[in-house]
Amino acid sequence: GAVVSQHPSRVICKSGTSVKIECRSLDFQATTMFWYRQFPKKSLMLMATSNEGSKATYEQGVEKDKFLINHASLTLSTLTVTSAHPEDSSFYICSASYGGDNSPLHFGNGTRLTVT
Amino acid sequence: GQNIDQPTEMTATEGAIVQINCTYQTSGFNGLFWYQQHAGEAPTFLSYNVLDGLEEKGRFSSFLSRSKGYSYLLLKELQMKDSASYLCAPMDSNYQLIWGAGTKLIIKP
Repeated sequence: GAVVSQHPSRVICKSGTSVKIECRSLDFQATTMFWYRQFPKKSLMLMATSNEGSKATYEQGVEKDKFLINHASLTLSTLTVTSAHPEDSSFYICSASYGGDNSPLHFGNGTRLTVT
Repeated sequence: GQNIDQPTEMTATEGAIVQINCTYQTSGFNGLFWYQQHAGEAPTFLSYNVLDGLEEKGRFSSFLSRSKGYSYLLLKELQMKDSASYLCAPMDSNYQLIWGAGTKLIIKP
């Protein structure tokens, strides 16, 4: 089945630094990947849609200059949290689908970010 | 607006059957997904319904009624490992998934 790999699984960083999270589709090409954020016991919140070879589409309220998304190839999308603050601490999850618009999403294992 | 309504938490006994209901309102509809999410982990895909009726997949079945904006996930022969949150996610006319907070299912021996 479709596999999405996300790295790192956990990261702790200091305030003001930047953190890069990678999302790879291992056995399929993903023209579109999605980045979510999830707070404890809350629903997944779509942050942005990452399109290969073009700029990401950000959801309302998500700062595009703070959450930089790059989708340089059909198998790799990256999310960079710039100038991290403690309130950025969260669970970040990427996903991709390998079929049409209504194909199921396959999720990476998520990244637990803690900003101290 | 778009919204999802699922029970926040349910408790069931190992070996039993449990039904998790979901009602939804979306702008357009392109099917409904069910995902399982264990604590601290990413969701995993369980089922997809786009037509009315029941889809059976092993111990898990999912039902959809588009006219009622209603779906349920049926879990049979419950196992302790089924303790997780179950997310009902309809897809709107823009093929965007609408996520609720899910139902936390607690399985007791």
